[in-house]
Amino acid sequence: DAKTTQPNSMESNEEEPVHLPCNHSTISGTDYIHWYRQLPSQGPEYVIHGLTSNVNNRMASLAIAEDRKSSTLILHRATLRDAAVYYCILDNYGQNFVFGPGTRLSVLP
Amino acid sequence: EAGVAQSPRYKIIEKRQSVAFWCNPISGHATLYWYQQILGQGPKLLIQFQNNGVVDDSQLPKDRFSAERLKGVDSTLKIQPAKLEDSAVYLCASSLEGPSLGVSTDTQYFGPGTRLTVL
Repeated sequence: DAKTTQPNSMESNEEEPVHLPCNHSTISGTDYIHWYRQLPSQGPEYVIHGLTSNVNNRMASLAIAEDRKSSTLILHRATLRDAAVYYCILDNYGQNFVFGPGTRLSVLP
Repeated sequence: EAGVAQSPRYKIIEKRQSVAFWCNPISGHATLYWYQQILGQGPKLLIQFQNNGVVDDSQLPKDRFSAERLKGVDSTLKIQPAKLEDSAVYLCASSLEGPSLGVSTDTQYFGPGTRLTVL
């Protein structure tokens, strides 16, 4: 069973920042926080992951709360191509790696 | 670098028929996963291989589903006989190492999936 909770859907305007929240109140000290996204008619693709510190890559930023019970995926400038289902997943040696229903992000032109 | 390849992309069968899906992971990836994704839901892990051994098949309906990984590379997933509720997208993913090799976390790379419709 998924150990994360996310909003079912969110909307954003093109070229504006998007903050996608994820709650994981039962996270253990060794759980990594992963984000994947699934574009229409494609398999999921890796976005970013982190353990304790905030992380940045070319796709997005991951902000992790100090108590690690929540995290936020930040897309700095949403494009139409970012419309997808975003999944927040915990991973600990392959345990807990369960996809929930995710957040469906719509990007409006 | 070539990604994860799957075939066929689409398959339509009648219930009680058999079907097989094929997956070729990224070269050098030790771990291979099969997921089932029912419309509107997130992917559900069916089976995980480490090289050619099974790591986790706890959610594989073994009365009708079977999977093998030949020589630790390609893999096939079979359903025999199919039921209406098996209609889904079947996703294959691979990762470089994986948990049983002592790696605490790893990135999974997914193929495009096979969309199965059972009539």
